Amino acid sequence: AQKVTQAQTEISVVEKEDVTLDCVYETRDTTYYLFWYKQPPSGELVFLIRRNSFDEQNEISGRYSWNFQKSTSSFNFTITASQVVDSAVYFCALSEGDSGYSTLTFGKGTMLLVSP
Amino acid sequence: DVKVTQSSRYLVKRTGEKVFLECVQDMDHENMFWYRQDPGLGLRLIYFSYDVKMKEKGDIPEGYSVSREKKERFSLILESASTNQTSMYLCASSSSGLAGVGEQYFGPGTRLTVT
Repeated sequence: AQKVTQAQTEISVVEKEDVTLDCVYETRDTTYYLFWYKQPPSGELVFLIRRNSFDEQNEISGRYSWNFQKSTSSFNFTITASQVVDSAVYFCALSEGDSGYSTLTFGKGTMLLVSP
Repeated sequence: DVKVTQSSRYLVKRTGEKVFLECVQDMDHENMFWYRQDPGLGLRLIYFSYDVKMKEKGDIPEGYSVSREKKERFSLILESASTNQTSMYLCASSSSGLAGVGEQYFGPGTRLTVT
């Protein structure tokens, strides 16, 4: 069965610090997708990134970067030079297979608090 | 701008009441989902639908039912509300096909309190 573990329940940093959010997943499928979602205080989850199991290239988008390592079943998320607006709950998620209606299994989330 | 709307942000109901939570999306998405979010438990899938009138159970369907009569609308029904159904309910939608895998668009949530 698929499973996503986010061991960090809550992280507090000061603005401009770098922070890494950990995500470890379990799956028996060879085809799967990994995701990160952000839930700001307003409550609405926002999609950040999708990675498929055949693409281990790291990705950078502005201050955000993602490190996908199949060898350790991890898909970690780093925010460089954190800002107060980054304060949110971040969810890692997994989808098995490539069916058009594949469901997501979410981790329990990591609450990031960035203070000025 | 894509949008998923939910009928209420906050709802208070009594134990035993029948409760309807409505979700509407304007993106012509085939797939729609209902989750509940509880502290320390993350998001758990209740039901989902990949087409009109089609529904599939998620991880925690007990005590819930759903209805999808139109493509844009997906309703979650609590037949007889209980206090353990007090939670935040999130609706989401996604397109079918590889492009839509996992990229779900979420509504703002309904915080339901059952007293």
